[in-house]
Amino acid sequence: EAGVTQSPTHLIKTRGQQATLRCSPISGHTSVYWYQQALGLGLQFLLWYDEGEERNRGNFPPRFSGRQFPNYSSELNVNALELEDSALYLCASSVWETQYFGPGTRLLVL
Amino acid sequence: QKEVEQDPGPLSVPEGAIVSLNCTYSNSAFQYFMWYRQYSRKGPELLMYTYSSGNKEDGRFTAQVDKSSKYISLFIRDSQPSDSATYLCAMDFGGGSGANSKLTFGKGITLSVRP
Repeated sequence: EAGVTQSPTHLIKTRGQQATLRCSPISGHTSVYWYQQALGLGLQFLLWYDEGEERNRGNFPPRFSGRQFPNYSSELNVNALELEDSALYLCASSVWETQYFGPGTRLLVL
Repeated sequence: QKEVEQDPGPLSVPEGAIVSLNCTYSNSAFQYFMWYRQYSRKGPELLMYTYSSGNKEDGRFTAQVDKSSKYISLFIRDSQPSDSATYLCAMDFGGGSGANSKLTFGKGITLSVRP
């Protein structure tokens, strides 16, 4: 069974640009979670999508947004990029409380 | 006070040692407890999952939960160089599709097992 996949693996942007990150969950999983893992800050919860709806969001500004498609894949958009947005962005899909993570997208903002 | 506190690292041990990794938490509403292992430049991989107080064993790994003390531990027996990674504890309020369904992580501790 294929795991959670994410694309791209690496992304380099400049300040003020927009970034789009993609995630495909494990087959049969309807929930997708996004986390930010910045150096020294640990994993921070960003967004949770289930059945196409945003169910919960973490303490991040509105320029972090996303959506979930009918096939349960998901997209994370980060507008007006700032230097401190440089981090590893992880997507997870779940069945009940067990979340399975993808390899992440490493975003570098210059 | 952070919701989840994890012992700071890094931690370096010789091969074959018993490793003890610990986390404390402040919110008694946490019901589910997990340990993830994260190798460099990879996503976290679920190691252990438990929802009750007591011990759960899986091979060389034992997860221990003490809800009365709000304390969880992961023990690694006969540690191997391949165990060298960052270990993250994580907690969930539970409830399946409830609005609080998200994981709260400790900051992680980097373990190095020397051959």
